[in-house]
Amino acid sequence: GAVVSQHPSRVICKSGTSVKIECRSLDFQATTMFWYRQFPKQSLMLMATSNEGSKATYEQGVEKDKFLINHASLTLSTLTVTSAHPEDSSFYICSAKTQGVDQPQHFGDGTRLSIL
Amino acid sequence: GENVEQHPSTLSVQEGDSAVIKCTYSDSASNYFPWYKQELGKGPQLIIDIRSNVGEKKDQRIAVTLNKTAKHFSLHITETQPEDSAVYFCAARPTGGGNKLTFGTGTQLKVEL
Repeated sequence: GAVVSQHPSRVICKSGTSVKIECRSLDFQATTMFWYRQFPKQSLMLMATSNEGSKATYEQGVEKDKFLINHASLTLSTLTVTSAHPEDSSFYICSAKTQGVDQPQHFGDGTRLSIL
Repeated sequence: GENVEQHPSTLSVQEGDSAVIKCTYSDSASNYFPWYKQELGKGPQLIIDIRSNVGEKKDQRIAVTLNKTAKHFSLHITETQPEDSAVYFCAARPTGGGNKLTFGTGTQLKVEL
């Protein structure tokens, strides 16, 4: 149980394009989803937290107009990197948890984004 | 806010030996401490977690201990196998922290034959 599916696993695109990444909870209701960014050999850096039906809460230093997050249903959240540039190249990972303070976060397998 | 330190950054053990990874946290209000295993090119996978009302938890070859007074917790892997090789992250979640986790810097574990 507790499977989180992230798609696509890898994307390569030209500078200036927008890229959408999907995160789905397959067998539970994800009342809260998180988006992380991870640089090579580094830890996970939280970008934003989203609760179903509400606006996302962004961490300090993360541009909300650059990284658009939508969490319109209990099983789907999307991250759109708008007008992507090479410095946006990174490994993006989502996680999801169901309601309840004792519930753990379950992670997707990440999306490797490469901007040329 | 919460700050989590993790040691060592790299750990190499012989197959069959035990491996121990240690973390300290700063926020005494933290009450949930998960451990994740991340294989190359994959997302982190929850392997064990502990809450502040217990001092130790075990699941087959994996155990976690928590010392709330000293604000540190440790991951113990016994009888290590090559498939245990991965990066391990500890994390802490403070009460009232909006469900956010603060992660440690990770430990690259290599189990050698």
